Amino acid sequence: EAGVTQFPSHSVIEKGQTVTLRCDPISGHDNLYWYRRVMGKEIKFLLHFVKESKQDESGMPNNRFLAERTGGTYSTLKVQPAELEDSGVYFCASSQGSRETQYFGPGTRLLVL
Amino acid sequence: AQSVTQLGSHVSVSEGALVLLRCNYSSSVPPYLFWYVQYPNQGLQLLLKYTTGATLVKGINGFEAEFKKSETSFHLTKPSAHMSDAAEYFCAVSPTSSGGYQKVTFGTGTKLQVIP
Repeated sequence: EAGVTQFPSHSVIEKGQTVTLRCDPISGHDNLYWYRRVMGKEIKFLLHFVKESKQDESGMPNNRFLAERTGGTYSTLKVQPAELEDSGVYFCASSQGSRETQYFGPGTRLLVL
Repeated sequence: AQSVTQLGSHVSVSEGALVLLRCNYSSSVPPYLFWYVQYPNQGLQLLLKYTTGATLVKGINGFEAEFKKSETSFHLTKPSAHMSDAAEYFCAVSPTSSGGYQKVTFGTGTKLQVIP
């Protein structure tokens, strides 16, 4: 069974540009989560989808971040326009039920110059 | 609000020595507790978790952790370190009120170095 996959693995962009990160959860997992780790700090929760609905987006830092999950399958996280402080590793996780273990992807390393 | 403190951002042990990674949490009620590991260029992998029941929890790869409510701690141990244990380890908590798995709060991580 394939695990959680994320694309791209690395992205280097300039301040002001737009970047879109993609996450493909484990097949059949209704719950999808986004987390971010800024260098040297803790991994922080961004938001939680159940199927295509946002259940909790309390961790989204500001309105430059937009997450979608069309059709309840893969999810995208768009940053527009990117700022220097957005640099970090973005993790995606999925779980079958909201009470089940979250399985994480390898992360996307974003560097904003 | 919940928080997690991991003591030591870097820990070095000799191969075959005891591994002890410390984790303390702050929460108004005992949360669910987790240890995750991240090997280079891989995602986070769940090592073990405590929800209810026995306070000594055994996980994969010979790791175990003990929940001590009085000390608000959940330290991770392994009797004998192996070179393959070199990785970054994250302690994490989630609230029990929401079912326990929705909003995980992580510590800052501890990088474990194993010296041959």
